[in-house]
Amino acid sequence: AQSVTQLDSHVSVSEGTPVLLRCNYSSSYSPSLFWYVQHPNKGLQLLLKYTSAATLVKGINGFEAEFKKSETSFHLTKPSAHMSDAAEYFCVVKYSGAGSYQLTFGKGTKLSVIP
Amino acid sequence: DGGITQSPKYLFRKEGQNVTLSCEQNLNHDAMYWYRQDPGQGLRLIYYSQIVNDFQKGDIAEGYSVSREKKESFPLTVTSAQKNPTAFYLCASSIGSGNYGYTFGSGTRLTVV
Repeated sequence: AQSVTQLDSHVSVSEGTPVLLRCNYSSSYSPSLFWYVQHPNKGLQLLLKYTSAATLVKGINGFEAEFKKSETSFHLTKPSAHMSDAAEYFCVVKYSGAGSYQLTFGKGTKLSVIP
Repeated sequence: DGGITQSPKYLFRKEGQNVTLSCEQNLNHDAMYWYRQDPGQGLRLIYYSQIVNDFQKGDIAEGYSVSREKKESFPLTVTSAQKNPTAFYLCASSIGSGNYGYTFGSGTRLTVV
């Protein structure tokens, strides 16, 4: 079965320090990978996406993610955390296939930023 | 600006009642989706629709119904058969099958009282 694993349910960092949110997915030919962010009681906003172009993907608000096929990982990073980054982050995979319309969501990582 | 509008933002339902959640998009996207979000469980797909007048069940369709009479609209009805309807409901849309991502609405929080 297709799956996405976010390795940490909660990550806490100090403001100004690096952020690392980890995501592994089950292997498949040509997956599309996404990171979304959700602030409390809000919808999901797309941070970045990998769709078989460059393996290092730059997104909004200074976030990046690197697609590593050999490790089946797509970890999200940011060099310096800001208070406004505190939110829940979802790693999402879309597997290719005829008529494949479904996304597979990780269970989310809640990021806390300490002043 | 183009986007997805969900209404209402908060909804309260008495046990045994049906309620309908609205989702409208002006992005000209073909596909639309309904997800349910519960704490610690990520998002689970209820229904999706690829084109007008067609829709498919997702992973947790029991107790829910949808319609797609117009490209812009994909309302979700939570019926009295849904035993645990209290949740946050998110509507989304995509170009084609969503290989470049989905656009999400801001959600409706449904509470059974």
